[in-house]
Amino acid sequence: GENVEQHPSTLSVQEGDSAVIKCTYSDSASNYFPWYKQELGKGPQLIIDIRSNVGEKKDQRIAVTLNKTAKHFSLHITETQPEDSAVYFCAASIGQLTFGSGTQLTVLP
Amino acid sequence: GAVVSQHPSWVICKSGTSVKIECRSLDFQATTMFWYRQFPKQSLMLMATSNEGSKATYEQGVEKDKFLINHASLTLSTLTVTSAHPEDSSFYICSARDLAGPVFGDTQYFGPGTRLTVL
Repeated sequence: GENVEQHPSTLSVQEGDSAVIKCTYSDSASNYFPWYKQELGKGPQLIIDIRSNVGEKKDQRIAVTLNKTAKHFSLHITETQPEDSAVYFCAASIGQLTFGSGTQLTVLP
Repeated sequence: GAVVSQHPSWVICKSGTSVKIECRSLDFQATTMFWYRQFPKQSLMLMATSNEGSKATYEQGVEKDKFLINHASLTLSTLTVTSAHPEDSSFYICSARDLAGPVFGDTQYFGPGTRLTVL
């Protein structure tokens, strides 16, 4: 089955700096790659997604890039704010989601 | 749009009792809903896939007789934890796939989760 690896497991950045989280997947048939933000005690919230026919997608301060050849995709958050602090999960899908292990992002004021 | 609700948000029960958790898609129809389990500081683990009007498909290692899933309508799926024990204590999260979403891809929207504590 699909296997998704996510790095780093923890990431601390200063407010205003950029944060990058990277994921790799194993199954070349995966065609959908969402990113979720999960705050403590809450369910995951979809923040951005990308499909395999697109290489990059941006939504305000958040962007995702996909390299199908290398089977990796990344989340980029620019101008980070304290409210961006949360756990971020990547996932890959061939009909059902396989999640990465998560990244605890802390934005220091 | 794309809101998924869960009820209750938290529940405490005694060992041996059964607990039912509801998952509803509020503003869209979902032929498929998913149930996940999440332990502290860990990722989401898929327990089962629930399809409206048919039996759920359980992941390997998940006891179907212990975790009963019913998907009676396009907006409601329920998970019943039967004869709960302390090791069943966890955060249970459902998600729903938008029927009207893109055919290419798998957009899932998650509920807020239910914290189950079994004493």
